[in-house]
Amino acid sequence: AQSVTQLGSHVSVSEGALVLLRCNYSSSVPPYLFWYVQYPNQGLQLLLKYTTGATLVKGINGFEAEFKKSETSFHLTKPSAHMSDAAEYFCAVSDRRGAQKLVFGQGTRLTINP
Amino acid sequence: DVKVTQSSRYLVKRTGEKVFLECVQDMDHENMFWYRQDPGLGLRLIYFSYDVKMKEKGDIPEGYSVSREKKERFSLILESASTNQTSMYLCASYAIAGGAIRTDTQYFGPGTRLTVL
Repeated sequence: AQSVTQLGSHVSVSEGALVLLRCNYSSSVPPYLFWYVQYPNQGLQLLLKYTTGATLVKGINGFEAEFKKSETSFHLTKPSAHMSDAAEYFCAVSDRRGAQKLVFGQGTRLTINP
Repeated sequence: DVKVTQSSRYLVKRTGEKVFLECVQDMDHENMFWYRQDPGLGLRLIYFSYDVKMKEKGDIPEGYSVSREKKERFSLILESASTNQTSMYLCASYAIAGGAIRTDTQYFGPGTRLTVL
């Protein structure tokens, strides 16, 4: 079975500071890994994904994440936070078979302080 | 652009009512999913469907059923709504495109916030 743990249900950073959202996964097979963002009153939007190849993945809005197999981690970073980054972020894992059943972490709410 | 729409943004129902949540996607995707989202628990898979009239249970199917009579439409049914089914419900769709090439991305609808009184 697969699982995802996001460390920190709430993260608060100042505008312009580094954003780091942590995600650790458990999977018995090579995983696909995803970060999704949810803005207030909206559905989920894909930020970035790792499937195969380069372990440093760049996504939209300046975010990136690095797949570290040895640490079973897929942390999300952004060098300089913007007020518009305030949202809830979800890490997810799936196996590589069939219909892509996603297993989500519990989410991290990111607050940006002016 | 893929579009996934859900029939209602907000819904209020009474305990014991039968509730239908509808989801429609416009990109001919084979796979469709229903999740519920609760604070501190993230999203949990209720049911998914990989083809018309085909369905599989997810992690929390109890109290729910689904229907997929047409490829573009996937319905979630609460046979007898209970207060513990008050939640945000999200629908998603996904395609395995072009034979061996997968899109590897689920597209989500805006969600239906259901309150059961």
